[in-house]
Amino acid sequence: GAGVSQSPSNKVTEKGKDVELRCDPISGHTALYWYRQSLGQGLEFLIYFQGNSAPDKSGLPSDRFSAERTGGSVSTLTIQRTQQEDSAVYLCASSSFGDSTYEQYFGPGTRLTVT
Amino acid sequence: AQKITQTQPGMFVQEKEAVTLDCTYDTSDQSYGLFWYKQPSSGEMIFLIYQGSYDEQNATEGRYSLNFQKARKSANLVISASQLGDSAMYFCAMEVTGGGNKLTFGTGTQLKVEL
Repeated sequence: GAGVSQSPSNKVTEKGKDVELRCDPISGHTALYWYRQSLGQGLEFLIYFQGNSAPDKSGLPSDRFSAERTGGSVSTLTIQRTQQEDSAVYLCASSSFGDSTYEQYFGPGTRLTVT
Repeated sequence: AQKITQTQPGMFVQEKEAVTLDCTYDTSDQSYGLFWYKQPSSGEMIFLIYQGSYDEQNATEGRYSLNFQKARKSANLVISASQLGDSAMYFCAMEVTGGGNKLTFGTGTQLKVEL
């Protein structure tokens, strides 16, 4: 079946502009995660949604970052007033708590470049 | 807080040889899971193998095995019979059960398989 999809695949924006990144999880997956991968680094957790529970926002680096998940499916990560240090690949993952290993399935990522 | 340490920024191995990628972790939780992901140059994150903290046997998946030494808090990945297609970045990650299953990643090991 279809995997996790993200759009756009690449985004170049000017410093100070707002950007929205979209994630379509695997159908039926109740958990959705956003991670950030800066150049040459490992992944950094940003935010986690599980069903109708309040999201875990503990990884968001500043109040310029926010995310929502509509209808328990599609999620949008918004970065306001972008800064050059926001340049990174933003990865979305989804998982089903019915799986014994809680494997997270990752999307291809959105490469954000702030000029 | 959890921490994952991967001390090998880069590794080389000859085709058909076995290679071990090191991973140590730090957590005060008793119930947790350990993952290895592969990230080729194309950027996607590919799940390789999972080990639960209460699993008594080391996990194996094809040519991948996880050498889990709980007392030493290590979870090394062993790749047997290396192939050219194994050249990629490898990330060790950890999740705490009940902590939302968000993953904490190490900084990765770049593996290059040579003829």
